[in-house]
Amino acid sequence: TQLLEQSPQFLSIQEGENLTVYCNSSSVFSSLQWYRQEPGEGPVLLVTVVTGGEVKKLKRLTFQFGDARKDSSLHITAAQPGDTGLYLCAGPKLGDYKLSFGAGTTVTVRA
Amino acid sequence: DSGVTQTPKHLITATGQRVTLRCSPRSGDLSVYWYQQSLDQGLQFLIQYYNGEERAKGNILERFSAQQFPDLHSELNLSSLELGDSALYFCASSVEYWDYGYTFGSGTRLTVV
Repeated sequence: TQLLEQSPQFLSIQEGENLTVYCNSSSVFSSLQWYRQEPGEGPVLLVTVVTGGEVKKLKRLTFQFGDARKDSSLHITAAQPGDTGLYLCAGPKLGDYKLSFGAGTTVTVRA
Repeated sequence: DSGVTQTPKHLITATGQRVTLRCSPRSGDLSVYWYQQSLDQGLQFLIQYYNGEERAKGNILERFSAQQFPDLHSELNLSSLELGDSALYFCASSVEYWDYGYTFGSGTRLTVV
């Protein structure tokens, strides 16, 4: 059982549409990070959210950390083919510093 | 280029053999992490070193071992290899042993035949 559950597992949308990826846990996290990974490459850090209820925006990407620090979401507005990739959430449980990863959401944006 | 260098990029070896994967962290980073990524297991934390000392251990098999050297580069040794050890092995680094984001290398793809 994964400590962090991501949904959906796969997402295929048309260019210009919006999408949301969810990351949930029954555990409290001291922070949550979002990474994007492309085939044959290592994950690349997109953002870290630290405070419960925090919202961070990175151009067309909006990241939210739940009030209870058990969940997070990533919303992409007007998706582009360049947003295609594997999106991973990760975080250290409260009191720990090992980073646990969710299984990932594979996003495909069709032109 | 993320600044984290992993070698080799690809490795094909036979069952029962031993291999060594190498990682040079980003300049200034003291902490090194090793992860294994397979299709059915996702990214699994193996082990962490901070400034030469083991800091945390995850799901690392007894056949696997690692170390971090005084120049901060790290090596992951995999022995008595089995078919199921075929995976991508990633190294990541950060400044502190706790941190708000890791920098990953491009990985080593290990194929055991």
